[in-house]
Amino acid sequence: SYELTQPPSVSVSPGQTARITCSGDALPKQYAYWYQQKPGQAPVLVIYKDSERPSGIPERFSGSSSGTTVTLTISGVQAEDEADYYCQSADSSGTPNYVFGTGTKVTVL
Amino acid sequence: QVQLQESGPGLVKPSGTLSLTCAVSGGSISSSNWWSWVRQPPGKGLEWIGEIYHSGSTNYNPSLKSRVTISVDKSKNQFSLKLSSVTAADTAVYYCASVTEGAFDIWGQGTMVTVSS
Repeated sequence: SYELTQPPSVSVSPGQTARITCSGDALPKQYAYWYQQKPGQAPVLVIYKDSERPSGIPERFSGSSSGTTVTLTISGVQAEDEADYYCQSADSSGTPNYVFGTGTKVTVL
Repeated sequence: QVQLQESGPGLVKPSGTLSLTCAVSGGSISSSNWWSWVRQPPGKGLEWIGEIYHSGSTNYNPSLKSRVTISVDKSKNQFSLKLSSVTAADTAVYYCASVTEGAFDIWGQGTMVTVSS
């Protein structure tokens, strides 16, 4: 089955830049999406179609894509950004089969 | 602004059927969105279960397809999930979500379902 691989954890000091990668074979052909999930809460969409930001999401969140890897970048990290982050995409089977990444815990030091 | 609310039993016996409903408010279930179910076992990641369009068309996660049925009730503006032959591995928080152009853009608050005798 198709998998999206993320690093388990990323640690960053306030004001610095956090980068979270997500790797998958179908990413050159399928869009990627990113979600933020805080403890006890539902996920929130922060990036769609690789690099687009929904309304209401701070500009410090950005996304990029290169080959089989997509990256979520949080510039000027704030304490409130501490959360789990999941990438999501679809496999290349032709019928929608959505897959979520393994998840990355972002810790603000 | 569309809002989603899950409801259903919080405890299901092993080998039984898990049944949940997602009520859609602030918008019509007959819009251009697809409507999905996602689950998250305690302390683990997210897993897509399946989706439905208001026409009744469905797509399911191949790993769960044999046990899953998702249906829609346009008269009540809601959609439902049934998962059969459940085991402890199906214990999770179950979310309903709206899917727009591949993005899970609106989520319910989630409901915890425990499989135990």
